[in-house]
Amino acid sequence: AQKITQTQPGMFVQEKEAVTLDCTYDTSDPSYGLFWYKQPSSGEMIFLIYQGSYDQQNATEGRYSLNFQKARKSANLVISASQLGDSAMYFCAMREEGYQKVTFGTGTKLQVIP
Amino acid sequence: DAGVIQSPRHEVTEMGQEVTLRCKPISGHDYLFWYRQTMMRGLELLIYFNNNVPIDDSGMPEDRFSAKMPNASFSTLKIQPSEPRDSAVYFCASWTPTWETQYFGPGTRLLVL
Repeated sequence: AQKITQTQPGMFVQEKEAVTLDCTYDTSDPSYGLFWYKQPSSGEMIFLIYQGSYDQQNATEGRYSLNFQKARKSANLVISASQLGDSAMYFCAMREEGYQKVTFGTGTKLQVIP
Repeated sequence: DAGVIQSPRHEVTEMGQEVTLRCKPISGHDYLFWYRQTMMRGLELLIYFNNNVPIDDSGMPEDRFSAKMPNASFSTLKIQPSEPRDSAVYFCASWTPTWETQYFGPGTRLLVL
């Protein structure tokens, strides 16, 4: 079974608009961490944001926020005020407590339209 | 800190040749991971080390692949002999439990002709 599911292979958003990238996860472990990475066309993997399963508040980093709904096992990434430079692949990932391995989703390709 | 360093950044080789990819993790990070990324299979974990010791190599596709970490600041991933289906981007990442996330190197784009 997939541990991380990203159902949107590709998305478009108008510049300056907000966009939500979906991510659902599957774990029976009560302690885990969730991550989002950005991969622009240049290829590097850039860490964006982290959410711990016990964190009470949703994580935010600048224009990025993580909409964490624990009961629904979802960890959606919200990008506010999209910029052309946000065009990239976005990967959701999870690490379960006690494991060093990180499981990645298949990614969502976001294209920002001027 | 310079971040995770990988070399070479690009490698083009012919089928049957030996390929060696190199990685220098972030100083103080005691975990090192090797990933492979392809369009078909996405991002796959090949192997990871803790304190220079291989912990899980279940993702290594075949005996043609081998990885070593002779010291805390250097690791290699070797493919011998290489095949066209090995063409991919290979990432190295390092991590320490006091940090939330792994940090990735820039990757090595390998093309096997």
